[in-house]
Parts: sequence; C-alpha cells; structure tokens
Amino acid sequence: KQEVTQIPAALSVPEGENLVLNCSFTDSAIYNLQWFRQDPGKGLTSLLLIQSSQREQTSGRLNASLDKSSGRSTLYIAASQPGDSATYLCAVRANAGGTSYGKLTFGQGTILTVHP
Amino acid sequence: KAGVTQTPRYLIKTRGQQVTLSCSPISGHRSVSWYQQTPGQGLQFLFEYFSETQRNKGNFPGRFSGRQFSNSRSEMNVSTLELGDSALYLCASSINPGQGFSSYNEQFFGPGTRLTVL
Repeated sequence: KQEVTQIPAALSVPEGENLVLNCSFTDSAIYNLQWFRQDPGKGLTSLLLIQSSQREQTSGRLNASLDKSSGRSTLYIAASQPGDSATYLCAVRANAGGTSYGKLTFGQGTILTVHP
Repeated sequence: KAGVTQTPRYLIKTRGQQVTLSCSPISGHRSVSWYQQTPGQGLQFLFEYFSETQRNKGNFPGRFSGRQFSNSRSEMNVSTLELGDSALYLCASSINPGQGFSSYNEQFFGPGTRLTVL
C-alpha cells in the first residue's frame, strides 16, 4: 500500500527566503507525481507534474525534483512571498501495469506561512 | 476556458438521508476523479471515471457510488448518510491519463462541495 509522507508538517519563514518542502513515498512504482497548493476552504491548484521518467520540472519560482529510486520529491520555492502562504500537497499516481490507471495517493501536506 | 465546476458548493443534511453531488469537468477532459477531504484523514481517493466507466475505486463502503455521463459530467451519491461523512468532496478532471502525455495526466480540481451531516 502506497504511503506518502510530507515533511515538515508546518513551516513559517520570513518573506524572501528560499525554502524546500519534502515528500517521500514508499512504493517507487509510480506513474507520476504532482504538487498542489490549497488555500483555506478552497480546492487544489496544480503547481507542477513530474512524469516518472523525468527528474525535475520548473515553473516560475517553483522547482520540483523527483528521485524515484529513493522515493523522494522536493518542492523548492525561491524568494518566498506572503502570497505563497497555503498548504502544499504532494500526490503520487500508482503505475498500474505501465498505465496511469492507478489511484492518486496524497500526503498530509505542509502548511506554509510566509510573514512580511 | 472554464475550470472544473461543482454543485452545490455547500450542503447540510441529516443522518440517514442521501445526497447527490455534481461535477462538470473542463471541456475536453474525459477523466473525472472524486476525493474526500477531512481534517483527520486528509485527502482520500473515492473513484475515477473515464468514458462512463469506473476505472478505479478507493476503499470506501458501498454507500458511496458514482457515475459518469456521455458528456463527461459526473455525479457521486452517498446513501444513508453518517456523521463521519461530513467532509469537503473534491472532483478533479484530466484529459486522458491513459495516453501517457504529461499534459494529459495533470489533474485539475474544482472548488469542492462542503457536506455537513447533522
């Protein structure tokens, strides 16, 4: 059974800092990994998706890396801003026989607070 | 392009009742997945539909069911509601995860339906 763990559970940083969020998963047979952010009471916003064959993806100030063999992914946020405050969730999709038909398993999230 | 829409946004029911939630995916998306989010359990996968067929199912009791229509819109139904069913129910759509292209796999979520069972 796939288990996804995110560390730390909560993080508070001053504006302008670079930070790293960690995600680990127990079964390396994944199809892809996706990072989301969730604002309080809202749905999820997709940030980055990394296919199992890829090592990293970048979008603006965000960079996500994937090391499938060790079961780890990191989300790097550069020059953090108060607007980055949210819960960040990592989710892995199981590789169901070489297809993407496996279910998505989420971590518990990291609550990020960026203060001015 | 409109995002994923879910109706209703808020719902209050009493124990024993049943409820139907609706999800309209992004135009062109054929896969719809449903998730339950609670403070204690986090986000848990309910089921996934593609071309009107349930392709995957999570570990939820049979009281939770769903379906997908030919226009890709999806509904989920919960019968005999229990207090523990109070949660945010999220729907997500993607183009066609089976094709293998990265852009086809990305899941986009709706705002959710907040269900409160009294």
